[in-house]
Amino acid sequence: EDQVTQSPEALRLQEGESSSLNCSYTVSGLRGLFWYRQDPGKGPEFLFTLYSAGEEKEKERLKATLTKKESFLHITAPKPEDSATYLCAAHSNSGYALNFGKGTSLLVTP
Amino acid sequence: EAQVTQNPRYLITVTGKKLTVTCSQNMNHEYMSWYRQDPGLGLRQIYYSMNVEVTDKGDVPEGYKVSRKEKRNFPLILESPSPNQTSLYFCASSLRYQVATYEQYFGPGTRLTVT
Repeated sequence: EDQVTQSPEALRLQEGESSSLNCSYTVSGLRGLFWYRQDPGKGPEFLFTLYSAGEEKEKERLKATLTKKESFLHITAPKPEDSATYLCAAHSNSGYALNFGKGTSLLVTP
Repeated sequence: EAQVTQNPRYLITVTGKKLTVTCSQNMNHEYMSWYRQDPGLGLRQIYYSMNVEVTDKGDVPEGYKVSRKEKRNFPLILESPSPNQTSLYFCASSLRYQVATYEQYFGPGTRLTVT
């Protein structure tokens, strides 16, 4: 059964304190690994798609990387506006659904 | 503005009273999907549609119905809502049904409470 596990569940950082969020996946034939950002009371907002091990993508203070078993979302020098829940999702060969993790709730304090 | 809209945004209803949550997108997307989001369980797919008149079950379809008569609309129907369907619902769409290739755009969510 396809599984996506995110850690930690919650993370509190000081502004400027870099860190990484983890997404471990077990899927039958990964076709794409997605990162979304979700603000309270809103729908998820697309950040990145990664397709193969070794791939990296960047957007402002965020960088996503992918290995054969996990993906990391690195946050460099975060700001309070980066506070949100970050969702990881995998699409496998088994169908047309995205299999979402439960998310990491990030709080960045000034 | 390109967007996915859902209505209503908030709904409180009673057990057994049929309801419909509408979803509409203005991006000419082929693929549309419904998810529910529950604390501790994350986002789970209810139903999806690859195109007009083509729908299929996701991971948690029990108690829900959908239809796709027009490309832009994908309503979610709860024929006889029960308290365990209290949840936050999201509609999403993407250009094509190749989920891995095309990003999904999510609506703002509908918070449903069934008493």
